[in-house]
This record gives sequence, C-alpha cells and structure tokens, in this order.
Amino acid sequence: GAVVSQHPSRVICKSGTSVKIECRSLDFQATTMFWYRQFPKKSLMLMATSNEGSKATYEQGVEKDKFLINHASLTLSTLTVTSAHPEDSSFYICSARSQRNVISTDTQYFGPGTRLTVL
Amino acid sequence: AQKITQTQPGMFVQEKEAVTLDCTYDTSDQSYGLFWYKQPSSGEMIFLIYQGSYDEQNATEGRYSLNFQKARKSANLVISASQLGDSAMYFCAILGYSGAGSYQLTFGKGTKLSVIP
Repeated sequence: GAVVSQHPSRVICKSGTSVKIECRSLDFQATTMFWYRQFPKKSLMLMATSNEGSKATYEQGVEKDKFLINHASLTLSTLTVTSAHPEDSSFYICSARSQRNVISTDTQYFGPGTRLTVL
Repeated sequence: AQKITQTQPGMFVQEKEAVTLDCTYDTSDQSYGLFWYKQPSSGEMIFLIYQGSYDEQNATEGRYSLNFQKARKSANLVISASQLGDSAMYFCAILGYSGAGSYQLTFGKGTKLSVIP
C-alpha cells in the first residue's frame, strides 16, 4: 500500500515557539491532504483540507493564523503551529488522498502521527 | 454532513472469541464509503476494512467482516477469533462529500477493545 510519512514523530518545544510538521506521500501524488488533531483517548478531529496549489480549507473553530498549512507540491504538505502554547499539545496526524473525487478504499492513507508537547 | 456514532466506549472479549463493535451512521449522500481503522497505542491508523454504499455483499478481510445494514444505517465490525494483539482503539469512519470540492472522512469516537487472555 501507499506510504505517508510524517516528520518529526515527536517534538517538545517551549511555549511561544513555532513548530513545523512535514507530511510526505512517498510513492504517490497526493492531490488532497488532510490534517487531523487527536487528544488523548479521543477521536480524530479534522482541522483542515488542503488541495495542492490552493489555500487550505479550515474546519470551523480552527484558527488559520495559528495553524498554517502549506501544500506546495503533490508530495508535501506542512503544518506550522505558530506561537505554540501548552493547550496546543496534541497528536497531529496527516492523511493524503491520491484521487479527489472518488470514493474508494484505495484513496486515503494516514501518516504515523506527530506528538507535540508544548512546555 | 456526515455523522458516525459508536456507542461502546470500551469492550472486553476473551481471547479466541468473536466480538462485534457497533457503528451507526448518518448521511444525506447517495454514495459514500464506510471504513474501520485500528489505532494501537503507537498512534498509527491502520486500515482494516471498507464497505461501499453500493456494495451488495458484506466486506470481509481475513478475521474482519463488516455487517452492513444499509436500511438501518449500521456498519458493525466483527472480529473473529480475537487475539491479544487486537487490543486497541477501533474507529468507524464515513467518507462523504464535504461540500468544499472534495471528499473527507468523518470519524466516530472510537471503541477501546481489550482482549483478555
């Protein structure tokens, strides 16, 4: 199956700093990438949908100025948590889809996640 | 908009027994897909099984089968012959049109399955 990588897998930072998380599709072109956030023992909450070459669409309640998403190429999307605070500590998971308008099992793949801890 | 309901926060099953994890969904889409994912403590989302809304046969993948009842809008996951390694969080998800030009997955709250030796 297709592989999606995330880097870093774990990051600890001081409050007020910015953190960038990379998501790469390794063997396919991702027309759409998704960023999810997951709190401990909770479900995945979609933060934003990013189509290559266009601005990300953020879900209600997600601050676009705080969570900057860049989908500059068909294989790379980045999520930057700006001026991180302890409440931003969470598990962030990216997901990539190879086809935009098809419902199929073979179209969406998940990265391994990034655990962010803000001190 | 789509919605997934998983009413079992936690389930216990004896090793080698079968277990059913419940999932009901709500959508106004005519075409959609239903997924089950397993998330062990490592956090990785592992795809288990998929059912398309127009698939007439219930999906099966090894020890996993999906009991799809379209009229009742339910998509329960059945795990046969449970193994200790099956202990994990299980999420049901629906893939539908987001209205923003693409399809997106909506997840349920998950069920924590614990397999007892």
